[in-house]
Amino acid sequence: DAGVIQSPRHEVTEMGQEVTLRCKPISGHDYLFWYRQTMMRGLELLIYFNNNVPIDDSGMPEDRFSAKMPNASFSTLKIQPSEPRDSAVYFCASSPAQGGTEAFFGQGTRLTVV
Amino acid sequence: GENVEQHPSTLSVQEGDSAVIKCTYSDSASNYFPWYKQELGKRPQLIIDIRSNVGEKKDQRIAVTLNKTAKHFSLHITETQPEDSAVYFCAALGQGGKLIFGQGTELSVKP
Repeated sequence: DAGVIQSPRHEVTEMGQEVTLRCKPISGHDYLFWYRQTMMRGLELLIYFNNNVPIDDSGMPEDRFSAKMPNASFSTLKIQPSEPRDSAVYFCASSPAQGGTEAFFGQGTRLTVV
Repeated sequence: GENVEQHPSTLSVQEGDSAVIKCTYSDSASNYFPWYKQELGKRPQLIIDIRSNVGEKKDQRIAVTLNKTAKHFSLHITETQPEDSAVYFCAALGQGGKLIFGQGTELSVKP
């Protein structure tokens, strides 16, 4: 398996524009997590899914953020409209099952909003 | 809500010395505690983990300890090497599969 795949790797956009980040989890993994990493806040959990169903989105900072998982092999994180303070590295991770198993991270998307 | 606190935020040691990073968690239902290492510009990767039915686990130069009563767990790195320099994250897996990370510790090992 190629691991968790995220796209794009880098995104530079202007304030006010819509940004869509994409993630393909490892095949067969039940859980998918979206994290945001900044120097100030570390790795923040934004939202996670179990079997394509959103379980907890309490970490989503504002209504400008939304996430979907239409099927087991694809998820998106959308920011509309984007703001400079959204600049960060966004990681997607997946894990096989609950009960204590490794979560595997994608390479991340470095988002810069100017 | 659930929370994981990690200390210190930065740690500098001489090569060959030991390094200790400590975490506390709030969700008493947490049952799995992984540690990740993140090198500059790369993704976090698992280095060791411990489950709630075990008090200690060791893998070569790294070890983790868990005190469920106090809700504390720690990472110990012995005989540190320059290649151990990275950011280390602790995490706790709570109810419903929620995986929460600490704020990270930037470890610097000076030759």
